[in-house]
Amino acid sequence: DVKVTQSSRYLVKRTGEKVFLECVQDMDHENMFWYRQDPGLGLRLIYFSYDVKMKEKGDIPEGYSVSREKKERFSLILESASTNQTSMYLCASSPTSGRAKANEQFFGPGTRLTVL
Amino acid sequence: KQEVTQIPAALSVPEGENLVLNCSFTDSAIYNLQWFRQDPGKGLTSLLLIQSSQREQTSGRLNASLDKSSGRSTLYIAASQPGDSATYLCAVRGASGNTGKLIFGQGTTLQVKP
Repeated sequence: DVKVTQSSRYLVKRTGEKVFLECVQDMDHENMFWYRQDPGLGLRLIYFSYDVKMKEKGDIPEGYSVSREKKERFSLILESASTNQTSMYLCASSPTSGRAKANEQFFGPGTRLTVL
Repeated sequence: KQEVTQIPAALSVPEGENLVLNCSFTDSAIYNLQWFRQDPGKGLTSLLLIQSSQREQTSGRLNASLDKSSGRSTLYIAASQPGDSATYLCAVRGASGNTGKLIFGQGTTLQVKP
């Protein structure tokens, strides 16, 4: 089974802190994604990566950056956390086209981040 | 711009009923469509993936159909159980590009009463 893990289930930070959210997948997937989920707004894509050291902005990249130094790990960075970044953060991975069930996305358990 | 809509937003049924959840999308040029389940405070669990060339996929009591030309998909749950209570999300991937970016609906929250 595909496994996507996230470093923390719950996280509380203060305004202005630098925050790192880590995601690791064990299925050698090329693509990795970071979403945030908010009531009434659904899931929104922040950043994604289709290869090591490659990244592309999603729909709401402002206030975030990402790092993908190794294929299995994709990190989301909040350079200076703000209260409007309080949210549920979900990481996902998927294989690239050409494989069976291409692009089926598998999600981690989520990190509930609260910024005070 | 692709938009995905799920109706109804919430649904409550007695145990044992068969039910249908609906998903519609505005741009029929999709690569695939995926149905997910999300329990409160948890991540998403992939239920079914339908490629654009397929009409339906089945897994146990779940059956998902896809009508690309009309921009619709349904998730049929047979003989519902209280353990099926969760939020169900559909998501589509556009036909262009190769990175698997998904566009999600808002979800249907299902409650199955014992």
